[in-house]
Amino acid sequence: AQSVTQLGSHVSVSEGALVLLRCNYSSSVPPYLFWYVQYPNQGLQLLLKYTSAATLVKGINGFEAEFKKSETSFHLTKPSAHMSDAAEYFCAVSFGNEKLTFGTGTRLTIIP
Amino acid sequence: AAGVIQSPRHLIKEKRETATLKCYPIPRHDTVYWYQQGPGQDPQFLISFYEKMQSDKGSIPDRFSAQQFSDYHSELNMSSLELGDSALYFCASRSRDRTGYTFGSGTRLTVV
Repeated sequence: AQSVTQLGSHVSVSEGALVLLRCNYSSSVPPYLFWYVQYPNQGLQLLLKYTSAATLVKGINGFEAEFKKSETSFHLTKPSAHMSDAAEYFCAVSFGNEKLTFGTGTRLTIIP
Repeated sequence: AAGVIQSPRHLIKEKRETATLKCYPIPRHDTVYWYQQGPGQDPQFLISFYEKMQSDKGSIPDRFSAQQFSDYHSELNMSSLELGDSALYFCASRSRDRTGYTFGSGTRLTVV
């Protein structure tokens, strides 16, 4: 079965610093990979997705992620953190017509 | 652009009562998914429908049932509610090109 692992349930970065949230997947077939952001008491908002086109994917709010098959990774980055980036981030994977399977999430805290 | 609509946004029920959650997918999306997100947890897949037929089933209790109607809206029926059913319930719909999942804002169910 497909799965994703998010390393680090909590990540803190200073405002203006690089944001790096890690996601590794396990799969025997090419996956579709997603990053979602969830603000407190709100729904899941799609940041970006990889669907077997370009390996470097640019998303909303300045985020991007690179699909690295050799490392089975899909880490999320942002060059300069803003206070408004504080939220919970979920990596998710799907295969073909199957459901999305989520990682356990990473809570991002921005230090002023 | 049209989004996934869920109703109600908030619901408070007592133990052993029943609840019905509704989901209206994006027009022309052919697959609907239901997820349950407990406090501090990642979303867990419950059930999905493709063209009004159940397509996959996850960790959905026997007390829950769901269906998709001819207009593609879906309802999640929950009976004999327990305190542990308190959670955020998300519906998502998927586009026909199989790359896009769009989530609704969720229904927050509180069982007291």
